[in-house]
Amino acid sequence: EPEVTQTPSHQVTQMGQEVILRCVPISNHLYFYWYRQILGQKVEFLVSFYNNEISEKSEIFDDQFSVERPDGSNFTLKIRSTKLEDSAMYFCASSNSGSFSDTQYFGPGTRLTVL
Amino acid sequence: KQEVTQIPAALSVPEGENLVLNCSFTDSAIYNLQWFRQDPGKGLTSLLLIQSSQREQTSGRLNASLDKSSGRSTLYIAASQPGDSATYLCAVDEAGANSKLTFGKGITLSVRP
Repeated sequence: EPEVTQTPSHQVTQMGQEVILRCVPISNHLYFYWYRQILGQKVEFLVSFYNNEISEKSEIFDDQFSVERPDGSNFTLKIRSTKLEDSAMYFCASSNSGSFSDTQYFGPGTRLTVL
Repeated sequence: KQEVTQIPAALSVPEGENLVLNCSFTDSAIYNLQWFRQDPGKGLTSLLLIQSSQREQTSGRLNASLDKSSGRSTLYIAASQPGDSATYLCAVDEAGANSKLTFGKGITLSVRP
């Protein structure tokens, strides 16, 4: 069964460094999402992406964040200057059509630790 | 602002018991509601999606219901097994231009052998 994959599974970085989290969505999907889950808290929406542009972003998704689809298979989340509070599990998701009857499929997540 | 609540935060039951997990949301203007399973340190696995026009969905031992007007959903698990032990999250897709999910905090279920 097709699945969303994410690399790395765990990333440790120093405060102020840039990190890039990578995702490979399901191959025929057109809509892509990033969510994050701070330890012990709810999963929160960050951004949705379609047709090479951001469809919607939350207030969390400020100027330090950016997303890109650099080629036909990868979808990346870049955090420019990491802060301690960016430590969280980051989940990538994809859906086929973006229709509201369509399930979002989640990857296994990347655990980001900022020291 | 949409808020999704799941109470209790944790539940422990003996194997074989039928159980109901509750989810409530504050804004009934939703397109769908999804139930997910999350194992410790792992990603989210979609269990069931109920569109706003539907009342329930079934998959195997799982049955999810939706009462949009009252802002409630339940996930019924029949004949629970130790392998059902996990955190169960509900999420609503709000009525808007784009799909985005708002999650509850989840219910951590432990099924005792």
